[in-house]
Amino acid sequence: GENVEQHPSTLSVQEGDSAVIKCTYSDSASNYFPWYKQELGKGPQLIIDIRSNVGEKKDQRIAVTLNKTAKHFSLHITETQPEDSAVYFCAAPQQGKLIFGTGTRLQVFP
Amino acid sequence: EPEVTQTPSHQVTQMGQEVILRCVPISNHLYFYWYRQILGQKVEFLVSFYNNEISEKSEIFDDQFSVERPDGSNFTLKIRSTKLEDSAMYFCASSGTGGRDTQYFGPGTRLTVL
Repeated sequence: GENVEQHPSTLSVQEGDSAVIKCTYSDSASNYFPWYKQELGKGPQLIIDIRSNVGEKKDQRIAVTLNKTAKHFSLHITETQPEDSAVYFCAAPQQGKLIFGTGTRLQVFP
Repeated sequence: EPEVTQTPSHQVTQMGQEVILRCVPISNHLYFYWYRQILGQKVEFLVSFYNNEISEKSEIFDDQFSVERPDGSNFTLKIRSTKLEDSAMYFCASSGTGGRDTQYFGPGTRLTVL
């Protein structure tokens, strides 16, 4: 079955800096990779996703890159702001369900 | 923007009691899910539901758990006899119009079993 690993577990950056979170997956048949943001006490919020027919997708300050050969995908946040502070989860599908990574706690210091 | 809603936001129960967690998925979505998250850990899949039946369930989803779509809008998770280790956040999710894999999550129900 699918196995998703996520690094780092915590990440602290200064406001305005960039943040990068990386995930690896095991099932080469996986073709969809979402990223979720979870704020304290709330549910996971889908912030960006990518399908395997493209290598990069961007939405304002957020981008996701995919390397199918190496089986990893990354979340890039540029010009970080304090409101970006949250836990970020990557995921990969397995027969309709999502297998989540272990999460990255991002702290953006003003 | 359509969203998944869940009630209650917090449920406290005694061990051995039955609880029902309720969800209203996004209208027109066809696939429904329950996930749980133990404090500080990752989100784990419990069960998926499509066309009025369970399509997949995890090892966690044992005979104490059941799901139901009693009408055209609600989706419920029942735990018959709660255990201390059932304490967690329970998230409902739905997908369908944007593809089965694109899942949208509700705000969760925090279940505390005493």
